This record gives sequence, C-alpha cells and structure tokens, in this order.
Amino acid sequence: SQTIHQWPATLVQPVGSPLSLECTVEGTSNPNLYWYRQAAGRGLQLLFYSVGIGQISSEVPQNLSASRPQDRQFILSSKKLLLSDSGFYLCAWSRGEGFSLPGYTFGSGTRLTVV
Amino acid sequence: AQSVTQLDSHVSVSEGTPVLLRCNYSSSYSPSLFWYVQHPNKGLQLLLKYTSAATLVKGINGFEAEFKKSETSFHLTKPSAHMSDAAEYFCVVRGSYSGAGSYQLTFGKGTKLSVIP
Repeated sequence: SQTIHQWPATLVQPVGSPLSLECTVEGTSNPNLYWYRQAAGRGLQLLFYSVGIGQISSEVPQNLSASRPQDRQFILSSKKLLLSDSGFYLCAWSRGEGFSLPGYTFGSGTRLTVV
Repeated sequence: AQSVTQLDSHVSVSEGTPVLLRCNYSSSYSPSLFWYVQHPNKGLQLLLKYTSAATLVKGINGFEAEFKKSETSFHLTKPSAHMSDAAEYFCVVRGSYSGAGSYQLTFGKGTKLSVIP
C-alpha cells in the first residue's frame, strides 16, 4: 500500500532562518507531488507541484522553493523565513489522473510558526 | 477559473442531531467536487467525491452530499452526528490541468465542526 510521510510535525523558527520540510512517498512510482499551505483563516493554497524528478511548477510567487531530488521525495525550502510564512504545510501525492481512487492523499502536515 | 465558498467557518451540533455543512462553488465548466476531513494532528482524508455521475453522493462514515447545479451547491450532510465527527471539513473543486494527467485543487476555507455531548 502507498504511504506518505511528512516531517517535522511542528516547527518554530526565527525570522530570517532557513527552512527545509521533507515529504516522501512509499509504495508507488512516479507520483505527482504537491505542497499546499493553509494560513490562518484562509483555505488551502497550492504552492508547488511536480510531475517528475527535477520538474517543479510554482503557483504563487514567494520566498519559498521546492525541489524533487528523487522520484518519491519532495522538499520545501526557504533561505530566509518571513513572519508571513507561518502556517500549516501539507504535502500530497496523486497518481496520474488525480481523481482515480483514492484521489489525492495528504500527509499529516507541518505546523510552522515563524517568530 | 473556479472558486469555493464554505458559508460557515464554525458549526456546532449536539450528538445525535443532523449535520449540515454548506458549500457553494463557481466553475466555468462541469465541475468535480470533493469533501475532505481533517482531524486534529492528522492528514486530510477524502470523504466523498462528485464527478458527474449520480448527484447524490455517499461517502464514508455516513456522510453524503448532493450536487445541485441550479444552486451551485454541494452541501455535506449526515443524519446523526457522532462525537468522532468533530473535525475540520474542506469543500474542494477540481481546478485546471497541471500536466501528466493531474489537476489542481481549489480548497474552501474550511468549516470546523464541534459536536456537543
């Protein structure tokens, strides 16, 4: 069966510090991978998606970046965090047509607080 | 472009009473719609999905939703709330094609459901 792992679960970082969130998927190959963010009082927002190794599409201009060094690994990074980067970050994967069973599968999320 | 509006940020019901979580959408084409649930400290879980088949969709845990095109609504209901239903619920519409057979998702802001014993 397929599983998705995301870590860390919570993170408190000072403004200006770097960020690295990691997501890995097991039990499938060549998944489509996504990073979403949920800021307080707002809906989930797509940040990045990837359809293959080294292929990253950005949906929202910001100081975050994403990389996919391996087929089932997706990393969200920042060189210098801003207060506005605080939020709940979710990694997700889908296989081909995103709504074949069971559709998108989400990780458990990372609660990031920038202080 | 598509958008989703969840009309209530917080809904509180007593255990054993019906649940209604409201969602309205806008889409320039025939949409695919979904409800996801997020329990505290857990990932999002798909409850149910509508993809242009039957307009009344049954999901897991006794939830169902009815697609009403004339009202552009996709409200989530359950006849009798259980304590374990307390969570945050997201209405989602499928968005634009993002390549390799996959699509983007547009999420509503979420509705937090509280169940009172």
